[in-house]
Amino acid sequence: GESVGLHLPTLSVQEGDNSIINCAYSNSASDYFIWYKQESGKGPQFIIDIRSNMDKRQGQRVTVLLNKTVKHLSLQIAATQPGDSAVYFCAENIGGGSYIPTFGRGTSLIVHP
Amino acid sequence: KAGVTQTPRYLIKTRGQQVTLSCSPISGHRSVSWYQQTPGQGLQFLFEYFSETQRNKGNFPGRFSGRQFSNSRSEMNVSTLELGDSALYLCASRNVGYESTDTQYFGPGTRLTVL
Repeated sequence: GESVGLHLPTLSVQEGDNSIINCAYSNSASDYFIWYKQESGKGPQFIIDIRSNMDKRQGQRVTVLLNKTVKHLSLQIAATQPGDSAVYFCAENIGGGSYIPTFGRGTSLIVHP
Repeated sequence: KAGVTQTPRYLIKTRGQQVTLSCSPISGHRSVSWYQQTPGQGLQFLFEYFSETQRNKGNFPGRFSGRQFSNSRSEMNVSTLELGDSALYLCASRNVGYESTDTQYFGPGTRLTVL
């Protein structure tokens, strides 16, 4: 979910578990959504994206679900590994040719071996 | 292909000074965007350049400016630095196609500290 203030919400899981990270987006006009992973000391890394004409998209070990009715996005990571430990951000973009994504505050995922 | 590179990686300045940060996009990418990341405000869009023209601008004061060169490399400048400008400045490039959904690739960032 989204954070308030300086502290990120944290999700702690055991290695091998499935992880679900949630994101509430703000603009019903957004038509493109992206999930990024950011490890300490690095820039955000693209994970998966989804357009508003879809409600589910799968990648390698990751699935993004989009619920436009309640403006909710989730990222599911299967068989979570210690290397998945990072901060995960969702971003939304309003189409029309512009690319000005608005980022969520992020969720910290901690995977325990 | 080499990824997005940013220089310098770390920078310390004092209030009132100005700073210039540099970004080299992935080869072939003509769009370069800049973001500011802070613990308090998260990731915020500064501006996007495409073919040497500023295409979009975020809600930042005029002290923040940028430019793009003919080889798509970009620089951003912050004048009259304030303590609140301390942040990680990220550059991202994308291969602009027909739709606005081309994947954006981020560099490692420049960590700016203002004393």
